[in-house]
Amino acid sequence: DAGVTQSPTHLIKTRGQQVTLRCSPKSGHDTVSWYQQALGQGPQFIFQYYEEEERQRGNFPDRFSGHQFPNYSSELNVNALLLGDSALYLCASSPPGGASGNTIYFGEGSWLTVV
Amino acid sequence: QKEVEQNSGPLSVPEGAIASLNCTYSDRGSQSFFWYRQYSGKSPELIMFIYSNGDKEDGRFTAQLNKASQYVSLLIRDSQPSDSATYLCAVASPRGFQKLVFGTGTRLLVSP
Repeated sequence: DAGVTQSPTHLIKTRGQQVTLRCSPKSGHDTVSWYQQALGQGPQFIFQYYEEEERQRGNFPDRFSGHQFPNYSSELNVNALLLGDSALYLCASSPPGGASGNTIYFGEGSWLTVV
Repeated sequence: QKEVEQNSGPLSVPEGAIASLNCTYSDRGSQSFFWYRQYSGKSPELIMFIYSNGDKEDGRFTAQLNKASQYVSLLIRDSQPSDSATYLCAVASPRGFQKLVFGTGTRLLVSP
């Protein structure tokens, strides 16, 4: 049983470019959340997708957008990249009916470097 | 005031000692509390979660929760060099569906 898978694992982009990161949730999970973790910081909640809609959003600008597909996989898009967007982007999935403590699973993350 | 606060460390302990990691949170309505371990360059890994006041033990790890004081801690007994990592405290937002609010993490160094 595959866990949460993310791609790509590492990428380098130039300021002003756009990036798309992808996440496949753990089998049986229907909710996907995205987090940004800057160096030396804890992960910060970007947004969460459920039933193909953004259910809640953290304090991130509109340059950050997302999508969830019918198979529950998700994409995170960031437009007009800034140097400050350089971070580890984490995807977390959780099952139907809400998550208890041990049912939120994180992927290995995508390292984004903006130069 | 930050929602979840941790001392960034580093916390240095000798091998075999007890490491004590602390976390405070601001939202009194919070119900669920988590400790994650994160090795450098890796994603967070869940170690413990706790919902009720008191202690919860799992092997060498004990999580302690005091909702009145808005305080949660993690004790690591018989610390090993392999425990050297950053430990993230996370609180499930009471107003969000499975949204986790993280502290900045405490770096633990266990010396042989």
